[in-house]
Amino acid sequence: SAVISQKPSRDICQRGTSLTIQCQVDSQVTMMFWYRQQPGQSLTLIATANQGSEATYESGFVIDKFPISRPNLTFSTLTVSNMSPEDSSIYLCSVGPGTDTQYFGPGTRLTVL
Amino acid sequence: GIQVEQSPPDLILQEGANSTLRCNFSDSVNNLQWFHQNPWGQLINLFYIPSGTKQNGRLSATTVATERYSLLYISSSQTTDSGVYFCALKTSGSRLTFGEGTQLTVNP
Repeated sequence: SAVISQKPSRDICQRGTSLTIQCQVDSQVTMMFWYRQQPGQSLTLIATANQGSEATYESGFVIDKFPISRPNLTFSTLTVSNMSPEDSSIYLCSVGPGTDTQYFGPGTRLTVL
Repeated sequence: GIQVEQSPPDLILQEGANSTLRCNFSDSVNNLQWFHQNPWGQLINLFYIPSGTKQNGRLSATTVATERYSLLYISSSQTTDSGVYFCALKTSGSRLTFGEGTQLTVNP
């Protein structure tokens, strides 16, 4: 299993600003995943972050809007840049230490005014 | 990509009732999980079940991979079972695809 923490747990931000979300895992993992959950909707994968290489973004998500860092095997950050109200969502970090169960952090609840 | 359909989209139960949630998928999978998202947004792993049947207390799940569906059974439901239930699948690689979820409300 894996224990994942995220900071901040929630934030309220002004339009046009940026927020960096941190994700810390209690064990070393090769891949970390960032998901977005818009209000009342399911989860959508934003990108996959590998240590030592550029993140791989899903269709509809770009690095300029969601830059990701992965400095080591237990930590990653996701930045939501130049925010608009449409970015109001829960952002979740996830890891899958093996090939089976995938674990999720508690999420960061973002509101953009 | 793979299509994932969950039914019903919404379900309201009285405490003590039983329920069955369904997940249909369009392609063969090598990974299928059920999650419960509680009202605070936390995603909790319920089952890793690419095939076969598993039980954990009042919850059980069955996946029939050849017929491309999975079922989640909740017996003697409690108010704490309320929330959204998601099935999520992997085909190849590590990309997990989520269904739209079933919103469960259990009334006292």
